[in-house]
Amino acid sequence: DTAVSQTPKYLVTQMGNDKSIKCEQNLGHDTMYWYKQDSKKFLKIMFSYNNKELIINETVPNRFSPKSPDKAHLNLHINSLELGDSAVYFCASSQSRGLFPGELFFGEGSRLTVL
Amino acid sequence: EDQVTQSPEALRLQEGESSSLNCSYTVSGLRGLFWYRQDPGKGPEFLFTLYSAGEEKEKERLKATLTKKESFLHITAPKPEDSATYLCAVQVRNYGGSQGNLIFGKGTKLSVKP
Repeated sequence: DTAVSQTPKYLVTQMGNDKSIKCEQNLGHDTMYWYKQDSKKFLKIMFSYNNKELIINETVPNRFSPKSPDKAHLNLHINSLELGDSAVYFCASSQSRGLFPGELFFGEGSRLTVL
Repeated sequence: EDQVTQSPEALRLQEGESSSLNCSYTVSGLRGLFWYRQDPGKGPEFLFTLYSAGEEKEKERLKATLTKKESFLHITAPKPEDSATYLCAVQVRNYGGSQGNLIFGKGTKLSVKP
């Protein structure tokens, strides 16, 4: 039973389109994240979402919007896709324990290619 | 600016040849340092968390250590199945407004030949 699952695994689309990536975790964690891994393999935080509090990395364009219907789901919607959005997007979750959220559990990633 | 640098970028070892990976960091306030393993086409998998200088953690052939400026991941007598990219990440006080987000290094790609 997959702990953090993302769909789709691969996504190929044209510039200007709108797309969504879905994420679900069955670990009972209270915090979920979206990370972006670019072509140079750098993993960078995009958003974290905890108990309906959204923390946005200031470098993320507002074309990206996370949506969380409930504690176990955090979807990523991207408007007006650009070539530079091509990357692997990872969803992750963790359980906050006092001051430390603990280790992250990652999904397998969604590879987005914008043509 | 908070920064994490890993070296070397790539490391090729023979099976049984022990070595170390380095993670140096420059951060305003370290709350924790994490090591992850990432296999091709997969998400990172958590290995260790270190919170204070002098702390050590071990798991099978891996041992992680932490000083005030860097962390080492020591690999003893590696096997081909240890081949992966090893990522170091730090948790920084109030990074991006959140206390839980991680800053990752670029990783060290380890290849172990039989």
